[in-house]
Amino acid sequence: KQEVTQIPAALSVPEGENLVLNCSFTDSAIYNLQWFRQDPGKGLTSLLLIQSSQREQTSGRLNASLDKSSGRSTLYIAASQPGDSATYLCAVRSGNTGKLIFGQGTTLQVKP
Amino acid sequence: DTAVSQTPKYLVTQMGNDKSIKCEQNLGHDTMYWYKQDSKKFLKIMFSYNNKELIINETVPNRFSPKSPDKAHLNLHINSLELGDSAVYFCASSPQAIFLDSPLHFGNGTRLTVT
Repeated sequence: KQEVTQIPAALSVPEGENLVLNCSFTDSAIYNLQWFRQDPGKGLTSLLLIQSSQREQTSGRLNASLDKSSGRSTLYIAASQPGDSATYLCAVRSGNTGKLIFGQGTTLQVKP
Repeated sequence: DTAVSQTPKYLVTQMGNDKSIKCEQNLGHDTMYWYKQDSKKFLKIMFSYNNKELIINETVPNRFSPKSPDKAHLNLHINSLELGDSAVYFCASSPQAIFLDSPLHFGNGTRLTVT
């Protein structure tokens, strides 16, 4: 059974810092991995999607990496801003069932 | 605006009542989903429909009944509401179930509170 874990559960950094959010999964048989952002009281916004054959994806200040064999992904945020404060969720598309399985998220606070 | 939209945004009701949440997407997608996010922010899939056909049905009490009148709509009806049903329910869509490399698009959620 696929399980997705995100560490840390919460993170607080000063504005301008570079930071890394971690995601690990137990079953390497995945189609892809997707990073989402969730603002309080809002839905999920897709940030990056990495296919199982890819190693990384970049969008602006965000870079996501994938190491399928070790069951790990990281989301790197460069030059963090207060507007980056949100909960970041990692989700893997299971290769066996096609289901999207979520981690519990990392809540990020960027202080001005 | 192209989007996944859910109504209502907030729903407060008493135990034992029956309620429905509606979802519509105008993205032209074939597949729609219902997810439940509990108090610990953990998101779990409940149901998935592909072109009006049920394809994923997780271990959800049969008090929860999804209905898809057409591929742009997926509604969730809940009978005999219980306190434990309190959560945020998210609707999502994707182009087609077999295209597993496509991202999911989520609605803004419906916060259900059962008192």
